[in-house]
Amino acid sequence: QLQLQESGPGLVKPSETLSLTCTVSGGSISSSSYYWGWIRQPPGKGLEWIGSIYYSGSTYYNPSLKSRVTISVDTSKNQFSLKLSSVTAADTAVYYCARRRPLTMVRENDAFDIWGQGTMVTVSS
Amino acid sequence: QSVLTQPPSVSGAPGQRVTISCTGSSSNIGAGYDVHWYQQLPGTAPKLLIYGNSNRPSGVPDRFSGSKSGTSASLAITGLQAEDEADYYCQSYDSSLSAFYVFGTGTKVTVL
Repeated sequence: QLQLQESGPGLVKPSETLSLTCTVSGGSISSSSYYWGWIRQPPGKGLEWIGSIYYSGSTYYNPSLKSRVTISVDTSKNQFSLKLSSVTAADTAVYYCARRRPLTMVRENDAFDIWGQGTMVTVSS
Repeated sequence: QSVLTQPPSVSGAPGQRVTISCTGSSSNIGAGYDVHWYQQLPGTAPKLLIYGNSNRPSGVPDRFSGSKSGTSASLAITGLQAEDEADYYCQSYDSSLSAFYVFGTGTKVTVL
């Protein structure tokens, strides 16, 4: 079955760029209809949607993070990636990648039906 | 902060029924967007529990049910079991400038 796996550095220095990759296995990232996204969870806190990407490259970002976020896709490797620039301690979190599945004709009603296990990223000098 | 508000915690004895509310506004739940619910067991990734307000994915026990009315939604767990102790999050879409896909503040369910 479809699986997602995050990878990347667990420690990033303040003001630098956080870079993570999500590898999709058991299925193609180029499957029509699905979007692929990033969600984060600071320690002891709730979930925050970061952004989503379609295999064609079209992206949607959380407005509160938009100026610092870039999500890209590499269909040849069946991967999509997250870059978050100018990080601070507030960006310390578990970062999850997830598949966004359409449930109706209204794409705004998509749900995140498959998640990676998550990777902890700490911002510290 | 999240635009969907949940109670921080609810608790119940085994076998009891508990409900978790998710209160939104006219730009999300009240605008007619679907509500989904996720269960997060300790130390694990969230799992889709209820989609489209009241539908259960394959494998989710029918002890879990969801509903939506106006600007709010609810998750009910009947016949509470020890393995239901987890964090639960609602999620919807928000058409304002705050974000597109929004999650609730989260509720910790404790089985007494």
